[in-house]
Amino acid sequence: AQSVTQLGSHVSVSEGALVLLRCNYSSSVPPYLFWYVQYPNQGLQLLLKYTSAATLVKGINGFEAEFKKSETSFHLTKPSAHMSDAAEYFCAVRDTGTASKLTFGTGTRLQVTL
Amino acid sequence: DTGVSQDPRHKITKRGQNVTFRCDPISEHNRLYWYRQTLGQGPEFLTYFQNEAQLEKSRLLSDRFSAERPKGSFSTLEIQRTEQGDSAMYLCASSHISGRALVYNEQFFGPGTRLTVL
Repeated sequence: AQSVTQLGSHVSVSEGALVLLRCNYSSSVPPYLFWYVQYPNQGLQLLLKYTSAATLVKGINGFEAEFKKSETSFHLTKPSAHMSDAAEYFCAVRDTGTASKLTFGTGTRLQVTL
Repeated sequence: DTGVSQDPRHKITKRGQNVTFRCDPISEHNRLYWYRQTLGQGPEFLTYFQNEAQLEKSRLLSDRFSAERPKGSFSTLEIQRTEQGDSAMYLCASSHISGRALVYNEQFFGPGTRLTVL
């Protein structure tokens, strides 16, 4: 079964600092990976997706992620944090079955301080 | 196109009562998914529909849960005889599967229904 592990349930950065949220995957086949963001009491919004076309994926709001097969990682980064980035971030992998359901990590809460 | 909508946004009920949630997917999306998210966890798959057919159910979906998608449009999720352990955010997502979209199946999520069972 495919899975993702997010290291660090809480990350705190200063406004303007680099954001790094970690995600490692486990998959026996080339995975399709996603990062979603969730603001309080809201649903999930897709930030970016990896579909094997390019290892460096650019998403919305200045976020990007790099797929590294050798490290089985898909870490999310943003060069300069903004207060509006404070939210919960989820890494997910698409199931290989016909359902193509998503399996999510436990999430990382990003706090941005002044 | 207003995206995926869910109703109600919040539901408070007493243990033992039945509740029903509704999800309206993005128009012309042929797939519809239900996920459950408990506090501090990521969403977990419950079930999905391809058009009106319910094709897979998670073992998390006990016999007290039932989902329908008549005519392949909106979907309802009913929980009978609610228990305190059912308290969670119920998320609906939709996608369109055809051609290359099948490769990565981008799912669009609604705002969720937060259920509190007292």
